[in-house]
Amino acid sequence: SQQGEEDPQALSIQEGENATMNCSYKTSINNLQWYRQNSGRGLVHLILIRSNEREKHSGRLRVTLDTSKKSSSLLITASRAADTASYFCATPTGANSKLTFGKGITLSVRP
Amino acid sequence: SAVISQKPSRDICQRGTSLTIQCQVDSQVTMMFWYRQQPGQSLTLIATANQGSEATYESGFVIDKFPISRPNLTFSTLTVSNMSPEDSSIYLCSASAGGNQPQHFGDGTRLSIL
Repeated sequence: SQQGEEDPQALSIQEGENATMNCSYKTSINNLQWYRQNSGRGLVHLILIRSNEREKHSGRLRVTLDTSKKSSSLLITASRAADTASYFCATPTGANSKLTFGKGITLSVRP
Repeated sequence: SAVISQKPSRDICQRGTSLTIQCQVDSQVTMMFWYRQQPGQSLTLIATANQGSEATYESGFVIDKFPISRPNLTFSTLTVSNMSPEDSSIYLCSASAGGNQPQHFGDGTRLSIL
């Protein structure tokens, strides 16, 4: 079963608007990671937030983590057409920290 | 962060044949993994590539179908054997220093089987 579940599944916004994506997970975690995948390409690591962190920033990205609710959010501010991609949350499990991915969110940013 | 080179980037193969995908990391890493991403789907872990020993496979994946090698800390291969159209997917390699370190991915191999 999926460890991470994102919502919404698809999001379409206008350039300049903010995009908020949510992820829920089921078991306790050491960290949660967000990735971006442009069409047909590999995954790009965006942010890793540790279980003892509540918020983290990287440029136009802001990630929050609420371990009591087992949820995380990714906020992209002032979106650009180049932000159009699929976004995945993933959590490591097991001794080897293998990642379990959510189903992903398809973000479309209209110019 | 580690840079991961994966090749080939894409291939079209005949059913019944096998293809080996290579993954090279530019630095020594603790963990290497192979994932499959079927069309329109999320990523599913195939196996953890263990250096110098047999890979650890996830449920639903077997060594005869997906043999994996990892001869050293920077290189791994995945072979997709006796391919069928159902094996048409993107195959991705990732690497991590382990612990609370992120995984970094190659660009993937887009495989189509006719």
